[in-house]
Amino acid sequence: GAVVSQHPSWVICKSGTSVKIECRSLDFQATTMFWYRQFPKQSLMLMATSNEGSKATYEQGVEKDKFLINHASLTLSTLTVTSAHPEDSSFYICSAGQGAGHEQFFGPGTRLTVL
Amino acid sequence: KNQVEQSPQSLIILEGKNCTLQCNYTVSPFSNLRWYKQDTGRGPVSLTIMTFSENTKSNGRYTATLDADTKQSSLHITASQLSDSASYICVVSITDKLIFGTGTRLQVFP
Repeated sequence: GAVVSQHPSWVICKSGTSVKIECRSLDFQATTMFWYRQFPKQSLMLMATSNEGSKATYEQGVEKDKFLINHASLTLSTLTVTSAHPEDSSFYICSAGQGAGHEQFFGPGTRLTVL
Repeated sequence: KNQVEQSPQSLIILEGKNCTLQCNYTVSPFSNLRWYKQDTGRGPVSLTIMTFSENTKSNGRYTATLDADTKQSSLHITASQLSDSASYICVVSITDKLIFGTGTRLQVFP
């Protein structure tokens, strides 16, 4: 299967700071990238869908001004958690695909801890 | 409401034994059904993908079944290994989204 990487794999930051997480498709061009959040012992929750070159579509209840998503190229999407708070501490996972109905390949995830 | 329910929530088995995980869904329109393995602190890895017309699909020691009439799927693991300890997630795909089940946490002990 295709390879998707995330960086960093884990990050610890102080409350009020911003954190950027990168998601890269290493061996294919991803027209669509998805960002998920997963709390302990819970399933993945879709936060937003981004298509290369256009604005991301956010799920209900996800603040677009807090979770900034950029998908500037076919191999890179970034999620920036702005003014992070302890309740933003979670496991953030991206996936990449080639459009609706196509396979999604998941990244290894990024563990964010906000102190 | 689109939902995917899995059972059991958790399961403990001895190494070498077989086990079966269940998935029931109420999702429409149905595109395909996937089983993923997620190790702790890692992203999900695809095991099988089945479309509406497929009844069974195997991937090594993993065999998934699908009954589209009853909207049920199962994942059978044969001759379990310690490395099978993980969460197994049933995911149903609709047109442009994935609906995730809550997963079954499997622990394999020696």
